Amino acid sequence: DSGVTQTPKHLITATGQRVTLRCSPRSGDLSVYWYQQSLDQGLQFLIQYYNGEERAKGNILERFSAQQFPDLHSELNLSSLELGDSALYFCASSLTGSAQNSYEQYFGPGTRLTVT
Amino acid sequence: GIQVEQSPPDLILQEGANSTLRCNFSDSVNNLQWFHQNPWGQLINLFYIPSGTKQNGRLSATTVATERYSLLYISSSQTTDSGVYFCAVYRDDKIIFGKGTRLHILP
Repeated sequence: DSGVTQTPKHLITATGQRVTLRCSPRSGDLSVYWYQQSLDQGLQFLIQYYNGEERAKGNILERFSAQQFPDLHSELNLSSLELGDSALYFCASSLTGSAQNSYEQYFGPGTRLTVT
Repeated sequence: GIQVEQSPPDLILQEGANSTLRCNFSDSVNNLQWFHQNPWGQLINLFYIPSGTKQNGRLSATTVATERYSLLYISSSQTTDSGVYFCAVYRDDKIIFGKGTRLHILP
């Protein structure tokens, strides 16, 4: 158990809908990262938050957004869902989070999103 | 952007065998991490290794940053080692994953 929790574990929804994925980091970790893993794109970094502020952006679509709350949990919002958004979405946390002082990341169990 | 290549893409071994997985990266990186994704999808930290050598039980890793590669060694393979092994590099506040090596250990 990495100490990172994600809810829900599975989510099935229809095209055009909006969903929210939730992540709670390990105790003491200030950085949260979101990743998407799909069969064709592999593991892709989406976005990182550090202590409530956006720190880095990867291949995140405009239809997706995220935030980190004062208690450090994070939510990833996916809207206007398309079939191609079906994937495993991982959250990870680390103690801190700059490239120069990056600490190892610990991954949650993931949320499997299926868009029908 | 930086490219991360892992080899081999697939590997099938008998239980008890040793293996070496390789990760090449195209430019200098700030850090490097190895992960194991088990058949249930869980991503597990193996090593956080920007340079040098680390060992943890039957697994060890070596990163030669100046030559832009890292190696993951698995000795005396067990069926529980099956899954996909990813390396990820950190560069300019971004993390880039390789496509992974799929390892299948036969009993």
